[in-house]
Amino acid sequence: DIVLTQSPALAVSLEQRATISCKTSQNVDNYGISYMHWYQQKPGQQPKLLIYEGSNLASGIPARFSGSGSGTDFTLTIDPVEADDIATYYCQQSKDYPRTFGGGTKLELK
Amino acid sequence: QVQLQQSGAELVKPGSSVKISCKASGYTFTSYDMHWIKQQPGNGLEWIGWIYPGNGNTKYNQKFNGKATLTADKSSSTAYMQLSSLTSEDSAVYFCARGELRRANWFAYWGQGTLVTVSS
Repeated sequence: DIVLTQSPALAVSLEQRATISCKTSQNVDNYGISYMHWYQQKPGQQPKLLIYEGSNLASGIPARFSGSGSGTDFTLTIDPVEADDIATYYCQQSKDYPRTFGGGTKLELK
Repeated sequence: QVQLQQSGAELVKPGSSVKISCKASGYTFTSYDMHWIKQQPGNGLEWIGWIYPGNGNTKYNQKFNGKATLTADKSSSTAYMQLSSLTSEDSAVYFCARGELRRANWFAYWGQGTLVTVSS
């Protein structure tokens, strides 16, 4: 299985930049496409798609969110962080089966 | 608009089975994979498998072989997941999510989740 590793938590101040990383145990790129996606989850809610294929902003998601990276190293950036962004963020790969998720990074206020 | 409406919370006894549903609307049900994802309390997300309602094809995470069975009813645009031989380890929230048509197959639409509690 492809293992996705995220830091458990990140403390950030409002209006500052948050950078959340996701490292994969295998390359998740194929023919120039990154099979890496990012989700936001708030307590008691379902996950919400933010970024697909590494860097594409999902419909209705503010431009404060961006995704970058390739191969085995990916980053979700939130700039600037707003109060509504306090949540847990998950990366997910769809290069191979089984689909796997990172353990999640809980974004907290400093 | 695309909606995935899941069935309500279940309290079930150890050793029994439970079947939860995910009713789709707002799109052609038979054209998209439906995935199921498990989330234990305070834990991350675990992919169980998918079903393609168009022909009933399924793909499972080996970890859930024998535990989860995915089916779909085209007439009601509803996907089902049956969990068998339940133990406390099966207590979790279960989500359905639609896989997008591109090869990268991300999850743009999710159900609200169904809480399954296994307890005597």
